Amino acid sequence: DIVMTQSPDSLAVSLGERATINCKSSQSVLYSSNNNNYLAWFQKKPGQPPKLLIYWASTRESGVPDRFSGGGSGTNFSLTIDSLQAEDVAVYYCHQYYTVPPTFGQGTKLEIK
Amino acid sequence: EVQLVESGGGLIQPGGSLRLSCAASGFDVSSNYMNWVRQAPGKGLEWVSIMYDGGRTDYADSVKGRFTISRDNSKNTLYLQMDSLRAEDTAVYYCTSPDYGRYWGQGTLVTVSS
Repeated sequence: DIVMTQSPDSLAVSLGERATINCKSSQSVLYSSNNNNYLAWFQKKPGQPPKLLIYWASTRESGVPDRFSGGGSGTNFSLTIDSLQAEDVAVYYCHQYYTVPPTFGQGTKLEIK
Repeated sequence: EVQLVESGGGLIQPGGSLRLSCAASGFDVSSNYMNWVRQAPGKGLEWVSIMYDGGRTDYADSVKGRFTISRDNSKNTLYLQMDSLRAEDTAVYYCTSPDYGRYWGQGTLVTVSS
């Protein structure tokens, strides 16, 4: 199974500042035949289902504010939230869908400093 | 508008069975990869099972042999039959599609306890 490891486990950032969450996969999730990284990012708030933010490592889902961006390739990825807003407080998960079983990172809890 | 609506959760004793349903609208379950994902209290997200558009299925090792995923194309509904339930199966269960998770239901809570 591909193990997804996020860092840090928790993060406190001031309003208006940048937050960066990292995700490392135990093996590459880059499919060479189409050059796509099978990596997504989700935002999870209590009592709500996960919300897709980013897929193919860097494609922003429709309706997601452009302060959210994803980057990386192969085994190292990042989610960046520019100009943090109060509504961004949540747990963030990376997710590989390159192979079965699909796996998630352990989550990063983002709070306001 | 795509909607996925789960139902069928509840309180069940260890060793019991439940069948979860995921009714879809604005979306064809038979033409898409459909997954079940769960989140235990205070824990992270865990993939449970997948049904591919062609009908092939797969399961997490933790549920293999106990859970069965299926669908009824005429009802546009996905199911998860859960047998021999254990305390560690307690979680909110979500149906989601496609493999990168654009669409999620609101979830249904399964509590396994005596």
